[in-house]
Amino acid sequence: SQQGEEDPQALSIQEGENATMNCSYKTSINNLQWYRQNSGRGLVHLILIRSNEREKHSGRLRVTLDTSKKSSSLLITASRAADTASYFCATDGVSGNTPLVFGKGTRLSVIA
Amino acid sequence: DTGVSQDPRHKITKRGQNVTFRCDPISEHNRLYWYRQTLGQGPEFLTYFQNEAQLEKSRLLSDRFSAERPKGSFSTLEIQRTEQGDSAMYLCASSLIQREQYFGPGTRLTVT
Repeated sequence: SQQGEEDPQALSIQEGENATMNCSYKTSINNLQWYRQNSGRGLVHLILIRSNEREKHSGRLRVTLDTSKKSSSLLITASRAADTASYFCATDGVSGNTPLVFGKGTRLSVIA
Repeated sequence: DTGVSQDPRHKITKRGQNVTFRCDPISEHNRLYWYRQTLGQGPEFLTYFQNEAQLEKSRLLSDRFSAERPKGSFSTLEIQRTEQGDSAMYLCASSLIQREQYFGPGTRLTVT
């Protein structure tokens, strides 16, 4: 079964707008990761946030983590058509030695 | 390119045949993972290796599936007596211990 649940399942926005995706998980974690997947392709690692971190930035990406609520969010600012993809959150176990568990993803469409 | 590579990229086989996929990880990575992904779902963990040792197998990995990483470098995933339900994208990823995973492009299997 999948631990992470992304919300919304699908999101459609205009180019230049911000996109926010949320992820909830069930058990304690060592870290949480966000990945992007273009249709029919492999996954691209975006950002890793550790359980003792609350916020992390990478370019136009901002990730927050609230371990008390077992939730994370991914914000993409000033979206571009090239950001169109599925976005997945993935969590590991508290030991950090368990495999990643992925959610079903959020399908983002950025309309030019 | 020193990323994760997978071969073949596509495989069409008839039900009952055996298939084997190969994954070449990033050379300095000691962990190698196999995932399966079906349409509209996130990747599901199958098994992973640390060096040549297979450390964990998912309950999804039936007796018809076997994976090896004989010298701690490349890995193979074999599916015996394929069934239509095996049709999926098979993804390989590699990482250093407790670090982000880097994914290959995947092998898309179609069982007819």
